[in-house]
Amino acid sequence: DGGITQSPKYLFRKEGQNVTLSCEQNLNHDAMYWYRQDPGQGLRLIYYSQIVNDFQKGDIAEGYSVSREKKESFPLTVTSAQKNPTAFYLCASSIQEDRGPMGTGELFFGEGSRLTVL
Amino acid sequence: GNSVTQMEGPVTLSEEAFLTINCTYTATGYPSLFWYVQYPGEGLQLLLKATKADDKGSNKGFEATYRKETTSFHLEKGSVQVSDSAVYFCALSGRSSNYKLTFGKGTLLTVNP
Repeated sequence: DGGITQSPKYLFRKEGQNVTLSCEQNLNHDAMYWYRQDPGQGLRLIYYSQIVNDFQKGDIAEGYSVSREKKESFPLTVTSAQKNPTAFYLCASSIQEDRGPMGTGELFFGEGSRLTVL
Repeated sequence: GNSVTQMEGPVTLSEEAFLTINCTYTATGYPSLFWYVQYPGEGLQLLLKATKADDKGSNKGFEATYRKETTSFHLEKGSVQVSDSAVYFCALSGRSSNYKLTFGKGTLLTVNP
């Protein structure tokens, strides 16, 4: 079945450590996104990528880094510079055509990764 | 910029009650509007959408109508079930935000048997 796979589902890390969250999709979507979800704050965009080897900062990119070496993969690294990294992280993708004037902007989401910093 | 304001929760209903979750938006032009649902411990799923004024999106007994005159997209269901317990997010996408989704803060719905 086509979809978005995030791993790990749960992750614990000590302060000062970097951690990488995986996101893989087999939907052949061009655009991919990372969101952070905190209680009562909704979803906030961290980074997004519209095409391989290119990505842009979202609203809360500080302390995070990404890469897009392959169309199907968009890993997120939470660095030690992120001051409050404990959160639920969601990866999403969309059809590139759906992002333009003729599209709807619909996103397809993975099941999320919950990161806890001890 | 674009913004979405939705009814703050939590909302607690008895089974078979009528549900309304209010959503209003601010955007330039003609955005597309969405309701996403998040079940406990999972990612978001698209529940319904509307791409132009007066369109009605519907799915699984839920409905929402795109009202440009009141800039609203309220979610309704005539008879909720325990399985509808989830967090509901209103969202919009439009040219002014380069078609990135802008989400509301979410409304937690709990349905009791």
